Amino acid sequence: DGGITQSPKYLFRKEGQNVTLSCEQNLNHDAMYWYRQDPGQGLRLIYYSQIVNDFQKGDIAEGYSVSREKKESFPLTVTSAQKNPTAFYLCASSDRAPDGTTNEKLFFGSGTQLSVL
Amino acid sequence: RKEVEQDPGPFNVPEGATVAFNCTYSNSASQSFFWYRQDCRKEPKLLMSVYSSGNEDGRFTAQLNRASQYISLLIRDSKLSDSATYLCVVNKKGWEGGSYIPTFGRGTSLIVHP
Repeated sequence: DGGITQSPKYLFRKEGQNVTLSCEQNLNHDAMYWYRQDPGQGLRLIYYSQIVNDFQKGDIAEGYSVSREKKESFPLTVTSAQKNPTAFYLCASSDRAPDGTTNEKLFFGSGTQLSVL
Repeated sequence: RKEVEQDPGPFNVPEGATVAFNCTYSNSASQSFFWYRQDCRKEPKLLMSVYSSGNEDGRFTAQLNRASQYISLLIRDSKLSDSATYLCVVNKKGWEGGSYIPTFGRGTSLIVHP
């Protein structure tokens, strides 16, 4: 079955530590996204990538980094510069509309809950 | 003004009730619109896309009003299982000449009680 896989489901970060969240998709989608969700809040965009080897900052990129070396993979690193990393992180992917003017619906992974020790 | 705004609720309704949510967006160039449903600590799941002509899927009806820049979701005959957070998503232009980026509202909480 095609889908998008995030791991781990739960992750704990120590002070000053960098941690990496994995996101893999086998849907052959060009676009991939990382969102952060805090309790009672909507999803805020951290980074996005519309094509392999290219990515753009979203609304809250500070303290995070990404790479897109392969179409299937879009890992997110939460660096020590991110002072409030505790949140639910969601990875998503989407295809382009046939006319190329917009992206279609999002497919989500099951999320990673990151907490600080 | 936020790019995508929703009333967070909660909307507390009895089973069988009809409930409507609105979502406003600020970017008039927005191209596509969606409603997602999210259960607590789970990933959002697509409920329905929103088309200019309006569309219906069973008990759910979505409407788009481009002139007033809002979309709506109507749920008829509410079920207990409809209790969730409903997220409005608008695809906005990322940058000049760039692709469209899905932008989320903060969600509207619905609680359906017996």
